[in-house]
Order: sequence, then C-alpha cells, then structure tokens
Amino acid sequence: KAGVTQTPRYLIKTRGQQVTLSCSPISGHRSVSWYQQTPGQGLQFLFEYFSETQRNKGNFPGRFSGRQFSNSRSEMNVSTLELGDSALYLCVSRGSYEQYFGPGTRLTVT
Amino acid sequence: AQSVSQHNHHVILSEAASLELGCNYSYGGTVNLFWYVQYPGQHLQLLLKYFSGDPLVKGIKGFEAEFIKSKFSFNLRKPSVQWSDTAEYFCAVKGTNAGKSTFGDGTTLTVKP
Repeated sequence: KAGVTQTPRYLIKTRGQQVTLSCSPISGHRSVSWYQQTPGQGLQFLFEYFSETQRNKGNFPGRFSGRQFSNSRSEMNVSTLELGDSALYLCVSRGSYEQYFGPGTRLTVT
Repeated sequence: AQSVSQHNHHVILSEAASLELGCNYSYGGTVNLFWYVQYPGQHLQLLLKYFSGDPLVKGIKGFEAEFIKSKFSFNLRKPSVQWSDTAEYFCAVKGTNAGKSTFGDGTTLTVKP
C-alpha cells in the first residue's frame, strides 16, 4: 500500500508570509500527527488529529494551526512566518498498531 | 509529563564493533516504545517497536532492543555495526492509548570503515 505523502517537499518563504503544508496518511489510518524537526530542538510535537478532531496539541504558538478532512488528509498552516520556523515538518500516519513518518516538508524562511 | 533521555549525543565506532545506545523514559502509565533511524538525507524510518509481550524486540537490519520496565529503559543494540549504519537514531515513547509520541534528542552514530 502507498506510504505517507507530504507536499510540497521543499518550500522557501519570506518572513511574514504564511504557508500551508499537506499530508496524506496511509489508507485506513485515521490519526495524523505533525512534528517539527530542527537541529537545535530535535523532534517536537505540534498536534494530532483523529477523525477530523484535534486530540492533542504541543507547545507551539497560535500561529501554528492544523485541520483534518473527512478523507483523513491533514493540513498544517503557519502564519506570520519567522526565521525560527525554518525546519523539517514531519507528518505521522498512525493505525492501530503502527505509525509511519512521511518524508517531510523542508521549510526555509528567509 | 512524559520525557525521553538518550544518553549519548554522538557515538563513533569502527566497523564490526558492538553498539548499545541508551534510552530512558519517564511516563506514568503503560507505554509503547520505538526506535527510529534517519539516514543522511532520508526521512525517519521505524527500526523496531515494543507494544507488549517479549521485552526483547528484534527489528530490521540486525537491531534489537530490550525493554526493562524496572529501569524505564529501552536500549538499542547491534552486535556488529556496518558503515551503512551511520545515521541518527531516535528513541520515542507513547502512552498506550495516546496519539502523541515524545522523542529523545537523538544519537548520531558514525561508523568508520
């Protein structure tokens, strides 16, 4: 079966702009989580969605938001981008007994 | 609050040496435990996981990990490393019914040929 897909894979934005990232989980998986990976902070949890509802939220400012659609696809949005938002954003697709990472979206903020 | 501590930030080994990467966690409940690997330029891949049963878990590429509940540990081992094992390794813990995983800071393994 197809793996987790994330689009776009690479993105360059300037400070103050906003960005939307997309994640399509593995077919049948209803849970999607988002993580931010940076060299300095490692992997940090952003939020988790299950059946279109946010179940968990990490310690990120309100500029970071997300949603999940009825087909389980998820988007995350970052508004008013800051230089420190440059990171790899990873989506995790979770089933009953396994979870798989997507390849990530590399966001660079200049 | 749950947390994960990986003891070593950077490990350098020669090929054929044995590997053990430490991972300790803090969580007030039943846990699922994971080790992930990220090869240079690639995305995170699952090495192995523990959900229940035999605390000695075998994963891909000859890796194994042992869950010691009394020590809150889930150390990763490999008897003989190869140059291709050069990567960053992450330990993660998740509550049994939770969606959020907490990751350690990662350990960079460099294997010298």
